[in-house]
Amino acid sequence: DNQMTQSPSPLSASVGDRVTITCRASQNIGRHLNWYQKKPGQAPKLLIHSASSLQSGVPSRFSGSGSGTDFTLTIDSLQPEDFATYYCQESYDTTLFGPGTKVDIK
Amino acid sequence: QVQLQESGPGLVKPSETLSLTCTVSGGSMSNYYWSWLRQPAGKGLEWIGRTYSSGNANYNPSLESRVTVSTDTSKNQFSLKLTSVTAADTGVYYCARHRGYYDTSGYYDSFDIWGQGTMVTVSS
Repeated sequence: DNQMTQSPSPLSASVGDRVTITCRASQNIGRHLNWYQKKPGQAPKLLIHSASSLQSGVPSRFSGSGSGTDFTLTIDSLQPEDFATYYCQESYDTTLFGPGTKVDIK
Repeated sequence: QVQLQESGPGLVKPSETLSLTCTVSGGSMSNYYWSWLRQPAGKGLEWIGRTYSSGNANYNPSLESRVTVSTDTSKNQFSLKLTSVTAADTGVYYCARHRGYYDTSGYYDSFDIWGQGTMVTVSS
């Protein structure tokens, strides 16, 4: 069975920082990888689909890259509203989420 | 725009059946997959199962023996039933719409619209 891992967790950063979160799959999943932002008390929000495609309405400071087993989510110039937990999700074989990366204030 | 809203009991007794409904407003259920997911307190997200607008369903293998997801397109609703619940089933339950498309390298799937979530506690 495929396993998803994320690093680092947690991640401490400051407003204006460039932040990179890594997601790794234990098996080749091509580009079948999505990224979500989750804030307490709110539903998850789709940021990136198909590894690198920005979901409509999502700010361009968010970007995704990678294929196969290694993927990254990058936030350029972190904004106050970006402090949240970020989850990767594979959709190749089944539907499986990573454990999440909490981005908190340094 | 399409919106989803979960409804159902917030408290379920151990060994009983958890039943939730998701109402879809602002659009049709046709030609989409619709899913249930959950998040136990302090833990990550878990996919439970999905249904197509035609009624076909797929489930998380770890929950398959206890789960039924069904669709009622006449009411623009889909439902979740989870039997023999325990405290481990406590958490926030979400319904969500799949965003799927084909390109040259295959079929790509994600969850683009989510309900606000409903807290379900399993306790006597």
